[in-house]
Amino acid sequence: DAKTTQPTSMDCAEGRAANLPCNHSTISGNEYVYWYRQIHSQGPQYIIHGLKNNETNEMASLIITEDRKSSTLILPHATLRDTAVYYCIVRVPHNSGNTPLVFGKGTRLSVIA
Amino acid sequence: GAVVSQHPSWVICKSGTSVKIECRSLDFQATTMFWYRQFPKKSLMLMATSNEGSKATYEQGVEKDKFLINHASLTLSTLTVTSAHPEDSSFYICSARQRGVQYFGPGTRLTVL
Repeated sequence: DAKTTQPTSMDCAEGRAANLPCNHSTISGNEYVYWYRQIHSQGPQYIIHGLKNNETNEMASLIITEDRKSSTLILPHATLRDTAVYYCIVRVPHNSGNTPLVFGKGTRLSVIA
Repeated sequence: GAVVSQHPSWVICKSGTSVKIECRSLDFQATTMFWYRQFPKKSLMLMATSNEGSKATYEQGVEKDKFLINHASLTLSTLTVTSAHPEDSSFYICSARQRGVQYFGPGTRLTVL
């Protein structure tokens, strides 16, 4: 799986959009970008994933650059409950067999009232 | 998304005793499940891959005789921490994959006195 680079921490004001960047310059053509988050003392929660097109669901939007070397997770209206560690992971989904996700250090997002 | 449950959510035990943690996929079948461990302020570390009907695959440095894994059905995997010691105190999280997305349980906090 390609390596990802994320900022260690970020702050965001409540009600504003939170934009979390991720660099994955060595991503290969069949690798997807996955985002998870982990709220304190809970298991990781799946947020969204994409290959090259921008994706949106009820939780967030994922913007992937045209060269696919970086992406941004957008939480449109951050709330205090969005305070968590956010992980960006790059991998092949369907042909991965039994290969599990490997977690880096992620970005600690603090939403401030 | 798919739901993965764990039981118990927390457990306190005496040193030398064994503790069993259950992981269930509630609305899908999982031939493979993954067990992770997380120490305070650290990221998730993969311990082992649990395979239904066959032996688990352990990561380097994880003692298979200490962390017994049984995957007897397509919806249940168990992790037994044998002869637990205080250094085994940690947050244990299981995971299963459905349609290319890996879903995580809520975690089990183990405290060994």
